[in-house]
Amino acid sequence: DVKVTQSSRYLVKRTGEKVFLECVQDMDHENMFWYRQDPGLGLRLIYFSYDVKMKEKGDIPEGYSVSREKKERFSLILESASTNQTSMYLCASRRNTWSYNEQFFGPGTRLTVL
Amino acid sequence: GQNIDQPTEMTATEGAIVQINCTYQTSGFNGLFWYQQHAGEAPTFLSYNVLDGLEEKGRFSSFLSRSKGYSYLLLKELQMKDSASYLCAVRVAGGSYIPTFGRGTSLIVHP
Repeated sequence: DVKVTQSSRYLVKRTGEKVFLECVQDMDHENMFWYRQDPGLGLRLIYFSYDVKMKEKGDIPEGYSVSREKKERFSLILESASTNQTSMYLCASRRNTWSYNEQFFGPGTRLTVL
Repeated sequence: GQNIDQPTEMTATEGAIVQINCTYQTSGFNGLFWYQQHAGEAPTFLSYNVLDGLEEKGRFSSFLSRSKGYSYLLLKELQMKDSASYLCAVRVAGGSYIPTFGRGTSLIVHP
Protein backbone atom coordinates (compact mmCIF):
# COMPACT_ATOMS: atom_id res chain seq x y z
CA ASP A 1 0.00 0.00 0.00
CA VAL A 2 1.20 3.46 -0.87
CA LYS A 3 1.52 5.65 2.12
CA VAL A 4 1.65 9.43 2.01
CA THR A 5 2.28 11.12 5.33
CA GLN A 6 2.22 14.77 6.30
CA SER A 7 4.17 16.22 9.19
CA SER A 8 1.24 17.71 11.10
CA ARG A 9 -2.53 17.27 11.15
CA TYR A 10 -3.12 20.65 12.75
CA LEU A 11 -0.92 23.74 12.79
CA VAL A 12 -1.46 27.23 14.19
CA LYS A 13 0.88 30.01 13.14
CA ARG A 14 1.02 33.78 13.36
CA THR A 15 0.92 36.25 10.49
CA GLY A 16 4.38 36.80 9.04
CA GLU A 17 5.85 33.51 10.25
CA LYS A 18 7.66 31.20 7.86
CA VAL A 19 5.83 27.88 7.72
CA PHE A 20 7.09 24.51 6.50
CA LEU A 21 4.72 21.70 5.58
CA GLU A 22 6.38 18.36 4.95
CA CYS A 23 5.14 15.43 2.90
CA VAL A 24 6.72 12.00 2.56
CA GLN A 25 5.73 9.08 0.31
CA ASP A 26 7.13 5.58 0.56
CA MET A 27 6.51 4.09 -2.89
CA ASP A 28 9.22 5.65 -5.03
CA HIS A 29 6.72 7.82 -6.92
CA GLU A 30 8.14 10.35 -9.34
CA ASN A 31 5.36 12.92 -9.09
CA MET A 32 4.25 14.84 -6.03
CA PHE A 33 1.64 17.58 -5.58
CA TRP A 34 0.55 20.22 -3.10
CA TYR A 35 -3.10 21.32 -3.03
CA ARG A 36 -5.17 23.50 -0.82
CA GLN A 37 -8.80 22.70 -0.21
CA ASP A 38 -11.32 25.35 0.78
CA PRO A 39 -15.11 25.04 1.18
CA GLY A 40 -16.88 25.72 -2.08
CA LEU A 41 -13.62 25.93 -4.05
CA GLY A 42 -12.53 22.32 -4.15
CA LEU A 43 -8.95 21.19 -4.59
CA ARG A 44 -6.65 23.78 -6.13
CA LEU A 45 -3.12 22.96 -7.21
CA ILE A 46 -0.36 25.05 -5.66
CA TYR A 47 2.75 23.27 -7.00
CA PHE A 48 3.65 20.07 -8.76
CA SER A 49 6.99 18.25 -8.83
CA TYR A 50 7.60 15.71 -11.58
CA ASP A 51 10.94 14.55 -10.21
CA VAL A 52 13.69 15.46 -7.77
CA LYS A 53 14.56 19.16 -7.94
CA MET A 54 11.92 19.65 -10.67
CA LYS A 55 8.81 21.73 -10.09
CA GLU A 56 5.98 23.47 -11.89
CA LYS A 57 3.67 26.18 -10.67
CA GLY A 58 0.07 25.23 -10.29
CA ASP A 59 -2.99 27.45 -10.36
CA ILE A 60 -2.30 29.39 -7.15
CA PRO A 61 1.46 29.53 -6.43
CA GLU A 62 1.57 33.10 -5.10
CA GLY A 63 2.87 33.24 -1.54
CA TYR A 64 4.21 29.68 -1.67
CA SER A 65 7.42 27.93 -2.62
CA VAL A 66 8.42 24.27 -2.67
CA SER A 67 11.47 22.10 -2.28
CA ARG A 68 12.15 18.57 -3.48
CA GLU A 69 15.70 17.54 -2.66
CA LYS A 70 14.89 13.83 -2.25
CA LYS A 71 12.46 11.74 -4.21
CA GLU A 72 10.34 10.78 -1.24
CA ARG A 73 9.96 14.24 0.28
CA PHE A 74 8.14 17.34 -0.97
CA SER A 75 8.01 20.44 1.18
CA LEU A 76 5.66 23.40 0.92
CA ILE A 77 6.92 26.69 2.29
CA LEU A 78 4.87 29.73 3.20
CA GLU A 79 7.48 32.48 3.19
CA SER A 80 5.40 34.89 5.25
CA ALA A 81 2.12 33.41 6.38
CA SER A 82 -1.03 35.47 5.95
CA THR A 83 -4.55 34.93 7.23
CA ASN A 84 -5.83 34.12 3.73
CA GLN A 85 -3.56 31.08 3.75
CA THR A 86 -5.66 29.50 6.46
CA SER A 87 -6.78 26.30 4.77
CA MET A 88 -6.53 22.52 4.53
CA TYR A 89 -3.35 21.51 2.71
CA LEU A 90 -3.23 18.16 0.97
CA CYS A 91 -0.17 16.46 -0.43
CA ALA A 92 -0.44 13.75 -3.10
CA SER A 93 1.87 11.47 -5.05
CA ARG A 94 1.57 9.61 -8.34
CA ARG A 95 3.80 6.96 -9.91
CA ASN A 96 4.67 9.03 -12.97
CA THR A 97 3.32 11.35 -15.62
CA TRP A 98 3.11 9.17 -18.65
CA SER A 99 0.68 6.35 -18.03
CA TYR A 100 -2.66 6.34 -16.31
CA ASN A 101 -2.04 6.57 -12.61
CA GLU A 102 -4.25 7.69 -9.78
CA GLN A 103 -3.06 10.06 -7.08
CA PHE A 104 -2.54 8.98 -3.50
CA PHE A 105 -3.29 11.63 -0.92
CA GLY A 106 -1.94 12.33 2.53
CA PRO A 107 -4.28 12.97 5.49
CA GLY A 108 -3.95 16.75 5.20
CA THR A 109 -2.68 19.56 7.39
CA ARG A 110 -5.23 22.04 8.66
CA LEU A 111 -3.32 25.31 8.94
CA THR A 112 -4.70 28.29 10.84
CA VAL A 113 -2.90 31.62 10.50
CA LEU A 114 -3.79 34.13 13.23
CA GLY B 1 -8.78 26.21 -19.55
CA GLN B 2 -11.08 23.57 -18.21
CA ASN B 3 -14.53 23.84 -16.76
CA ILE B 4 -15.76 21.00 -14.55
CA ASP B 5 -19.22 21.09 -13.07
CA GLN B 6 -20.75 18.91 -10.33
CA PRO B 7 -23.78 19.44 -8.10
CA THR B 8 -22.81 20.88 -4.74
CA GLU B 9 -24.91 18.62 -2.58
CA MET B 10 -27.18 15.60 -2.87
CA THR B 11 -29.21 13.61 -0.38
CA ALA B 12 -30.40 10.02 -0.63
CA THR B 13 -31.89 7.27 1.47
CA GLU B 14 -30.08 4.23 2.78
CA GLY B 15 -30.54 1.29 0.40
CA ALA B 16 -31.36 3.50 -2.59
CA ILE B 17 -29.39 4.28 -5.77
CA VAL B 18 -27.87 7.69 -6.44
CA GLN B 19 -26.23 9.13 -9.54
CA ILE B 20 -23.68 11.93 -9.24
CA ASN B 21 -23.06 13.79 -12.47
CA CYS B 22 -19.96 15.54 -13.71
CA THR B 23 -19.81 17.61 -16.89
CA TYR B 24 -16.64 19.03 -18.33
CA GLN B 25 -15.44 21.26 -21.14
CA THR B 26 -11.85 20.72 -22.10
CA SER B 27 -9.58 20.10 -25.04
CA GLY B 28 -7.27 17.11 -25.16
CA PHE B 29 -9.34 14.95 -22.81
CA ASN B 30 -7.25 12.05 -21.49
CA GLY B 31 -9.33 10.46 -18.78
CA LEU B 32 -11.61 11.15 -15.84
CA PHE B 33 -11.14 10.12 -12.21
CA TRP B 34 -13.59 9.82 -9.34
CA TYR B 35 -12.41 10.11 -5.75
CA GLN B 36 -14.25 9.73 -2.45
CA GLN B 37 -13.43 11.95 0.50
CA HIS B 38 -14.89 11.44 3.96
CA ALA B 39 -15.01 14.50 6.20
CA GLY B 40 -11.58 15.26 7.63
CA GLU B 41 -9.89 12.54 5.62
CA ALA B 42 -7.82 12.20 2.45
CA PRO B 43 -9.46 11.63 -0.94
CA THR B 44 -9.24 8.01 -2.06
CA PHE B 45 -9.38 6.73 -5.62
CA LEU B 46 -12.62 5.14 -6.84
CA SER B 47 -12.44 4.84 -10.61
CA TYR B 48 -10.87 5.95 -13.86
CA ASN B 49 -12.55 6.15 -17.29
CA VAL B 50 -10.81 6.97 -20.53
CA LEU B 51 -13.10 5.20 -23.03
CA ASP B 52 -16.85 5.58 -23.40
CA GLY B 53 -19.03 3.25 -21.42
CA LEU B 54 -19.70 1.91 -17.98
CA GLU B 55 -17.09 0.56 -15.58
CA GLU B 56 -18.51 -1.46 -12.72
CA LYS B 57 -16.74 -2.07 -9.44
CA GLY B 58 -18.95 -3.63 -6.80
CA ARG B 59 -21.61 -1.20 -5.62
CA PHE B 60 -19.97 1.65 -7.52
CA SER B 61 -20.04 2.21 -11.29
CA SER B 62 -18.71 5.05 -13.39
CA PHE B 63 -19.86 6.06 -16.85
CA LEU B 64 -18.23 8.25 -19.48
CA SER B 65 -19.44 9.86 -22.69
CA ARG B 66 -16.59 11.74 -24.32
CA SER B 67 -18.75 13.24 -27.07
CA LYS B 68 -21.06 14.77 -24.46
CA GLY B 69 -18.34 15.75 -21.98
CA TYR B 70 -20.24 13.87 -19.32
CA SER B 71 -19.60 11.32 -16.62
CA TYR B 72 -21.54 9.96 -13.71
CA LEU B 73 -20.81 7.93 -10.62
CA LEU B 74 -23.56 5.47 -9.70
CA LEU B 75 -23.78 4.22 -6.13
CA LYS B 76 -26.09 1.30 -5.47
CA GLU B 77 -27.46 -0.11 -2.19
CA LEU B 78 -26.45 3.03 -0.38
CA GLN B 79 -25.01 2.70 3.08
CA MET B 80 -24.59 5.34 5.76
CA LYS B 81 -20.83 5.11 5.31
CA ASP B 82 -21.24 6.37 1.72
CA SER B 83 -21.91 9.84 3.13
CA ALA B 84 -18.89 11.72 1.78
CA SER B 85 -17.75 14.15 -0.86
CA TYR B 86 -17.25 12.78 -4.36
CA LEU B 87 -14.66 14.51 -6.50
CA CYS B 88 -14.53 14.40 -10.28
CA ALA B 89 -11.12 15.12 -11.86
CA VAL B 90 -10.31 15.46 -15.56
CA ARG B 91 -6.90 14.64 -16.99
CA VAL B 92 -5.76 16.49 -20.09
CA ALA B 93 -3.16 15.25 -22.57
CA GLY B 94 0.05 17.18 -22.93
CA GLY B 95 2.38 18.77 -20.45
CA SER B 96 2.41 16.99 -17.13
CA TYR B 97 -1.03 15.37 -17.36
CA ILE B 98 -2.14 17.04 -14.17
CA PRO B 99 -5.78 16.34 -13.31
CA THR B 100 -8.05 19.30 -12.63
CA PHE B 101 -10.63 18.74 -9.91
CA GLY B 102 -14.25 19.80 -9.80
CA ARG B 103 -15.57 21.36 -6.61
CA GLY B 104 -16.97 18.07 -5.36
CA THR B 105 -20.43 16.79 -4.51
CA SER B 106 -21.35 16.30 -0.87
CA LEU B 107 -23.58 13.24 -0.54
CA ILE B 108 -25.68 12.83 2.58
CA VAL B 109 -27.22 9.40 3.13
CA HIS B 110 -30.02 9.31 5.68
CA PRO B 111 -31.82 6.33 7.24
